[in-house]
Amino acid sequence: EDQVTQSPEALRLQEGESSSLNCSYTVSGLRGLFWYRQDPGKGPEFLFTLYSAGEEKEKERLKATLTKKESFLHITAPKPEDSATYLCAVQALGQAGTALIFGKGTTLSVSS
Amino acid sequence: GAVVSQHPSRVICKSGTSVKIECRSLDFQATTMFWYRQFPKQSLMLMATSNEGSKATYEQGVEKDKFLINHASLTLSTLTVTSAHPEDSSFYICSARVAVNSYNEQFFGPGTRLTVL
Repeated sequence: EDQVTQSPEALRLQEGESSSLNCSYTVSGLRGLFWYRQDPGKGPEFLFTLYSAGEEKEKERLKATLTKKESFLHITAPKPEDSATYLCAVQALGQAGTALIFGKGTTLSVSS
Repeated sequence: GAVVSQHPSRVICKSGTSVKIECRSLDFQATTMFWYRQFPKQSLMLMATSNEGSKATYEQGVEKDKFLINHASLTLSTLTVTSAHPEDSSFYICSARVAVNSYNEQFFGPGTRLTVL
């Protein structure tokens, strides 16, 4: 069964304290891995798509990496405005349509 | 970037009534739209996949007669919750697949908070 597990469930950081969020996945064949940011009461905001092991993408203080079993979202010198829930999702090969399978998310709180 | 809108953002209704939620892709055409449901502190759960001009494909456990989906054009999909009950209260989010992108990136709407009294 295709599955996505994110850890930790919640993460509290001080402003400037870098850290990483983990997304472990099991899927029959990976078509793509997606990272989204979700603020309370809002829809997910697209951050990155990764397609193959070894791939890395960066956007401001965020950097996403991918291996054959997991992905990391590295946050460098976070600011309070980075506080949000970060969702990881995978898209499997061979699925009818292009449905995403989501993890439960990591809720990040950054205090000044 | 690709923008997806939803309307309404919030709706409160009485038990037994029907509620329609609209999802629009504003600056691109979406051959495929998806409807998700999210309960508090839970992940997004796919309800159905909607392709323009054809019947929606529902996930296991989702009642197609209760959650009616219509994808009449390349920019609009609607979800109608029929005979809503309190257990249908949830955050409903749509997403749209960018048609020109073969890697199927999805962009999400802002969500609709449904409360059934």
